[in-house]
Amino acid sequence: GQSLEQPSEVTAVEGAIVQINCTYQTSGFYGLSWYQQHDGGAPTFLSYNALDGLEETGRFSSFLSRSDSYGYLLLQELQMKDSASYFCAVRDWGNFNKFYFGSGTKLNVKP
Amino acid sequence: GAVVSQHPSWVICKSGTSVKIECRSLDFQATTMFWYRQFPKQSLMLMATSNEGSKATYEQGVEKDKFLINHASLTLSTLTVTSAHPEDSSFYICSASLAGGDTGELFFGEGSRLTVL
Repeated sequence: GQSLEQPSEVTAVEGAIVQINCTYQTSGFYGLSWYQQHDGGAPTFLSYNALDGLEETGRFSSFLSRSDSYGYLLLQELQMKDSASYFCAVRDWGNFNKFYFGSGTKLNVKP
Repeated sequence: GAVVSQHPSWVICKSGTSVKIECRSLDFQATTMFWYRQFPKQSLMLMATSNEGSKATYEQGVEKDKFLINHASLTLSTLTVTSAHPEDSSFYICSASLAGGDTGELFFGEGSRLTVL
């Protein structure tokens, strides 16, 4: 089975940098994705790591350490619109297109 | 990016009735789609994998007779909640990915919020 853990809630101020961690336990591992979801909306894709290291996409970066079964999402220059829930998701070993999602982290950005 | 459309966005029904939710890939063909369920302030729980032309694969603990999935074409998967009860009230959302893609990206529909009275 799959198990992913994230902090339930994080609060930060505008302009700051915040890191959201994700630890996982899976029977097999292909890669780790990150999604953003605003209340009532659909998740939107942010980043994906299949190999160890840092992937940078604008203000968002994602890091993966396969040996530690650990990844994080880094959000820089926080804006009010970044207030949302963030989910990590692991790719299933048996089905390449199947993903299992973590518990989610609610990010509150304050002025 | 690929577009996935889901309908209806909102549905309210009486207990005991059945509700059908449609998920369409608008600009690509999806041999596989995925159905998730999300309770308020909780994670997306994978319910089943919808396979074009064959039976759906259900996750452990998901009642296949309660949640009927049909994937009759390469662009359409449907989820039918049969004999719905208030505990079935939830946000249901479908997703698909591009065949051969390795971006780790799922494309989600807009979601369907079901309320069973």
